[in-house]
Amino acid sequence: EAEVAQSPRYKITEKSQAVAFWCDPISGHATLYWYRQILGQGPELLVQFQDESVVDDSQLPKDRFSAERLKGVDSTLKIQPAELGDSAMYLCASSPGTGGRTGELFFGEGSRLTVL
Amino acid sequence: KQEVTQIPAALSVPEGENLVLNCSFTDSAIYNLQWFRQDPGKGLTSLLLIQSSQREQTSGRLNASLDKSSGRSTLYIAASQPGDSATYLCAVKGGSEKLVFGKGTKLTVNP
Repeated sequence: EAEVAQSPRYKITEKSQAVAFWCDPISGHATLYWYRQILGQGPELLVQFQDESVVDDSQLPKDRFSAERLKGVDSTLKIQPAELGDSAMYLCASSPGTGGRTGELFFGEGSRLTVL
Repeated sequence: KQEVTQIPAALSVPEGENLVLNCSFTDSAIYNLQWFRQDPGKGLTSLLLIQSSQREQTSGRLNASLDKSSGRSTLYIAASQPGDSATYLCAVKGGSEKLVFGKGTKLTVNP
């Protein structure tokens, strides 16, 4: 069964360091999402891509976060510099077609970030 | 701004019991609603997707209903098992085409 792949599964870093997360969506899925989930809360959208274009990054803290999907396939989410409040689970999801109005989202296992 | 609320926040039941998880949303103009399961420290597993034109979806022991006009959805789990223990998340996709999540209901099924 096709899955959304994410790495690393766990990352521990010190504040002010740079971190990066990678996501490979299900093959053929045009829409890719990055969500952040703080312990005990529901996931919140950071950025949404349609192919290689950003559709929504209104909740992405652009002073320290960046995301790219250069060839419209896999994606990287970067944080520089990391802050204590960035400790969370970073989830990648993909959706077929335009993703759009009716598409089902499929999530990866997530990347757990701990900032010390 | 769409807000999604899940009640109760936590639920503990004995094995074999039928149970209902509730989800409410403030803006009824949605395209679909999706129920997910999340095990501790893991990602989200999609359980059921209900399009706005549908009233319910079923998968095995799970049944999800949608009442758009009242802004409510329920997830019914029949004959619960200890393996059903997890956090269940409800999410709605509205006009902005992004999925808005509730905080989840943590379910514990005791043997």
